[in-house]
Amino acid sequence: DVKVTQSSRYLVKRTGEKVFLECVQDMDHENMFWYRQDPGLGLRLIYFSYDVKMKEKGDIPEGYSVSREKKERFSLILESASTNQTSMYLCASSLSHGLELVVTEAFFGQGTRLTVV
Amino acid sequence: QQQVKQSPQSLIVQKGGISIINCAYENTAFDYFPWYQQFPGKGPALLIAIRPDVSEKKEGRFTISFNKSAKQFSLHIMDSQPGDSATYFCAASRSWGYQKVTFGIGTKLQVIP
Repeated sequence: DVKVTQSSRYLVKRTGEKVFLECVQDMDHENMFWYRQDPGLGLRLIYFSYDVKMKEKGDIPEGYSVSREKKERFSLILESASTNQTSMYLCASSLSHGLELVVTEAFFGQGTRLTVV
Repeated sequence: QQQVKQSPQSLIVQKGGISIINCAYENTAFDYFPWYQQFPGKGPALLIAIRPDVSEKKEGRFTISFNKSAKQFSLHIMDSQPGDSATYFCAASRSWGYQKVTFGIGTKLQVIP
């Protein structure tokens, strides 16, 4: 079974803090994603990565950055946390079919509920 | 700009009834349409997916209907059960290229006994 593990289920941080959300997958997937989930807004893509050290902006990248130094690990960084970044954060990974780049099933972690006070 | 519009946002169905969730998309380049199911405290998981070369796909009690000309697709859950109570997300993307999947806002389904 594919396992996507997010380091924390719940986090409480203060405004202005630098926050790191960590995600690790154990199935050698090329693609990794960070989403935030908010009621009435669904899942919105923050960043994604299709290879080590590669990253692409999603739909709402402002206020976030990412790091992918190893294939299995994808980190989301809030440079200076703000209250409007209070949300559920979901990491996901998926397999690429080599050069075909065919879209495949995304496997999600259980989420990190971040509260910024 | 919401590229995938999902309705309703919440749905209550009696056990044994049919649950229907509708989605519409705008980008005609989309050609992969998955549905994800999310239980409380869990991340979403793929339920069923369709590509537009077929108008319907069925897996057990779950059926996706797809109308390419109307740019609409829907999930039907037949004989709905309390265990189906979850949030359902429709999604859309291109079936190739770097994978950027666009999700709907989600439908919270409650199946009452």
